[in-house]
Amino acid sequence: GQNIDQPTEMTATEGAIVQINCTYQTSGFNGLFWYQQHAGEAPTFLSYNVLDGLEEKGRFSSFLSRSKGYSYLLLKELQMKDSASYLCAVIPGNTPLVFGKGTRLSVIA
Amino acid sequence: DVKVTQSSRYLVKRTGEKVFLECVQDMDHENMFWYRQDPGLGLRLIYFSYDVKMKEKGDIPEGYSVSREKKERFSLILESASTNQTSMYLCASSTGQGNYEQYFGPGTRLTVT
Repeated sequence: GQNIDQPTEMTATEGAIVQINCTYQTSGFNGLFWYQQHAGEAPTFLSYNVLDGLEEKGRFSSFLSRSKGYSYLLLKELQMKDSASYLCAVIPGNTPLVFGKGTRLSVIA
Repeated sequence: DVKVTQSSRYLVKRTGEKVFLECVQDMDHENMFWYRQDPGLGLRLIYFSYDVKMKEKGDIPEGYSVSREKKERFSLILESASTNQTSMYLCASSTGQGNYEQYFGPGTRLTVT
């Protein structure tokens, strides 16, 4: 089976740094995505990791450890507009993406 | 830019009605997907298609069917809508060929009364 775990909710303060973790157990692995989804809107692509290490893109970074089945999304200099759900998704093999249930992030003043 | 469009943003149907949800993508993508999204359950895959006239069941296909007669269009059909099919329905597409990123449509919020 496929299993992806991420925290249900997180709260952080404007201007701070927050790390959203994702652990996975899947039958295979061809990469991991992070998507952002604002309430009532479609998910939008944030990052893709297929090799171990950190990928940095502006205020957002994503890390992958394949041996540990672990990834995190790091958001720096938090802004109110970062309040959204963050979805971790894994490509198990030659099958569609498997999504976690998402982490709802609230940024407070 | 990739564009995925869905026929309606909001839809209200009665129990027992046949419901069609349409999805169109304009980037010649091979793969198309239908998900439903419910609070606390995340995105769940209903059906997907890797080619015209081809379909594969996802994790929760019961009560749904799909049609892909043209490459750009993937339709989700609820043969006899029920109240437990009230949900947000999201369509997505991807190129395939080793590129797994999925592009999502804006979603259809379906209410079955």
